[in-house]
Amino acid sequence: GQQVMQIPQYQHVQEGEDFTTYCNSSTTLSNIQWYKQRPGGHPVFLIQLVKSGEVKKQKRLTFQFGEAKKNSSLHITATQTTDVGTYFCAGPIRGSQGNLIFGKGTKLSVKP
Amino acid sequence: DVKVTQSSRYLVKRTGEKVFLECVQDMDHENMFWYRQDPGLGLRLIYFSYDVKMKEKGDIPEGYSVSREKKERFSLILESASTNQTSMYLCASSLPNQPQHFGDGTRLSIL
Repeated sequence: GQQVMQIPQYQHVQEGEDFTTYCNSSTTLSNIQWYKQRPGGHPVFLIQLVKSGEVKKQKRLTFQFGEAKKNSSLHITATQTTDVGTYFCAGPIRGSQGNLIFGKGTKLSVKP
Repeated sequence: DVKVTQSSRYLVKRTGEKVFLECVQDMDHENMFWYRQDPGLGLRLIYFSYDVKMKEKGDIPEGYSVSREKKERFSLILESASTNQTSMYLCASSLPNQPQHFGDGTRLSIL
């Protein structure tokens, strides 16, 4: 079946260091979405990438969608303590009207 | 701004009880979803609905049922609660093929 793998599962960084999480799909995706879940909170939509090779930036966050539309990455430059949380990628399930298959997430902790 | 409201943040029930988790959204979204979230297992889809009175099984429907009598409300029912249903339950809604908006979640403990 369709799968989305995300690595690493955990990442501990010193404040100011960079961070990257990677997402790989077993199938080509029409789009990839990224969500952030703060500790004790719920997932919040960050961004959606649609085009092959697309790169989008939100302040210190850079999102990429691979040329084959099967992989994606989220890179945070100079992490801050406010970046703490779990980052999930998600792709649409083929043939559905909006069901998503989520990666298991990367839990980021930042040491001040 | 989209608001998805879950009826309880924390709930404690006993084994064998019938448990109702309620979710209401205020943006006229067609799609609604129920997930459970467990450490190391990520988000797992229980049931979803694309329209009123419509429901489809997700990846882990066993032991659960749902009800969608009105567009804005999607209820999750644990027919006879068991300890392995202790979890965080998240409701979400969306327009067709658009990003999902999540509620704050219900942390359910079954004793």
